[in-house]
Amino acid sequence: QSALTQPASVSGSPGQSITISCTGTSSDVGGYNYVSWYQQHPGKAPKLMIYDVSNRPSGVSNRFSGSKSGNTASLTISGLQAEDEADYYCSSYTSSSTLAVFGGGTKLTVL
Amino acid sequence: EVQLVQSGAEVKKPGESLKISCKGSGYSFTSYWIGWVRQMPGKGLEWMGIIYPGDSDTRYSPSFQGQVTISADKSISTAYLQWSSLKASDTAMYYCARRGGKDYMDVWGKGTTVTVSS
Repeated sequence: QSALTQPASVSGSPGQSITISCTGTSSDVGGYNYVSWYQQHPGKAPKLMIYDVSNRPSGVSNRFSGSKSGNTASLTISGLQAEDEADYYCSSYTSSSTLAVFGGGTKLTVL
Repeated sequence: EVQLVQSGAEVKKPGESLKISCKGSGYSFTSYWIGWVRQMPGKGLEWMGIIYPGDSDTRYSPSFQGQVTISADKSISTAYLQWSSLKASDTAMYYCARRGGKDYMDVWGKGTTVTVSS
């Protein structure tokens, strides 16, 4: 069982917006602004999409945004495109371990 | 270009040993932590451990402590993940990644597939 809870799947139509949640505790998501999000296409390595809750690395589309409220972080993808179909993982610093923790992953389907 | 280049796919038998590698280039290898992540077939990402090549400070996830060894050779900018006795349950994709800041991984290798089968 993952330390962070994500929905197993979400879906949306092209052009729509979707939000993926990532729920933790005050020892991880809620206690620190160190949440990151990764995109993974089938057979590919993960790619960093968001770090420190809401920062985008250079080269990542501004259609991707991150936020946090309490113990839940969220990844929002606006203007959905077919290429966004992938698995998405959240991760957070945690005071309970020397390593970060991952969520279980969310499969995004673009209808 | 900053990149991590991982060694090729491996097919091993149970009980055999294995060491896979991850070579960094395009940045100061000794200044960033390198982590290893396991992904079993059809499953999610799991942290195994992390090493700081500058001084070889190493941290392990409790699930992997004693099961694997993480090391680095800073003279050749390479990190390693090794097993002394593989099990079928070690069959997975293994990624190395660079920690760019406080617990986010900004550069990833393409992964090394390890298959353990008799």
